[in-house]
Amino acid sequence: DIQMTQSPSTLSASVGDRVTITCRASQSVSSWLAWYQQKPGKAPKLLIYTASSLESGVPSRFSGSGSGTEFTLTISSLQPDDFATYYCQQYNSYPLTFGGGTKVEI
Amino acid sequence: VQLQESGPGLVKPSQTLSLTCTVSGGSISSASYYWTWIRQPAGKGLEWIGRMYTSGSTKYNPSLKSRVTISVDTSENQFSLKLSSVTAADTAVYYCARGGYRAEYFQYWGQGTLVTVSS
Repeated sequence: DIQMTQSPSTLSASVGDRVTITCRASQSVSSWLAWYQQKPGKAPKLLIYTASSLESGVPSRFSGSGSGTEFTLTISSLQPDDFATYYCQQYNSYPLTFGGGTKVEI
Repeated sequence: VQLQESGPGLVKPSQTLSLTCTVSGGSISSASYYWTWIRQPAGKGLEWIGRMYTSGSTKYNPSLKSRVTISVDTSENQFSLKLSSVTAADTAVYYCARGGYRAEYFQYWGQGTLVTVSS
């Protein structure tokens, strides 16, 4: 299985901050990586796919980069609605696997 | 596209967990998608359980493979999950989701349903 490791596990930030979350894969997943946002009691919401493609309707302050084994999700200017937990997911090989999550809190 | 999970919220240990996902706004027979189950224990991360294609082909997480069956009912536009011999470790919110055939990320999710394993 490909292990996905996110860092940090918790991130404290303020409105307006630039936030970067890292996801590392235990082996190359090429660009087959997605990012999701999850709020308490809700299903995850797709933000980014193929490492850097922005899902339709997602604000442009979200961006993704990377390939191979190292990826980043950046929020350019944190907004109140962005306080949530973020997960990466690889879809290069089975079983599909997710990172452990990064909680972005005030 | 909307997905909605349904099924018992409480299952006894050693029994079989059975959930159904009803798809609306799109056909489950589409050749472009996989139909997937994912779960999340309280306060923990996401675990991919497995997926089914409209042809009937399946792929399961090896960690659960011996206990999991995913099936599709095209006439009802539904797909189902059965997980046998459950224990407390199977207590989780179970999500159904649609994954792309060529790129298996998840654009559409159900709201999730909590299944508790307890006597």
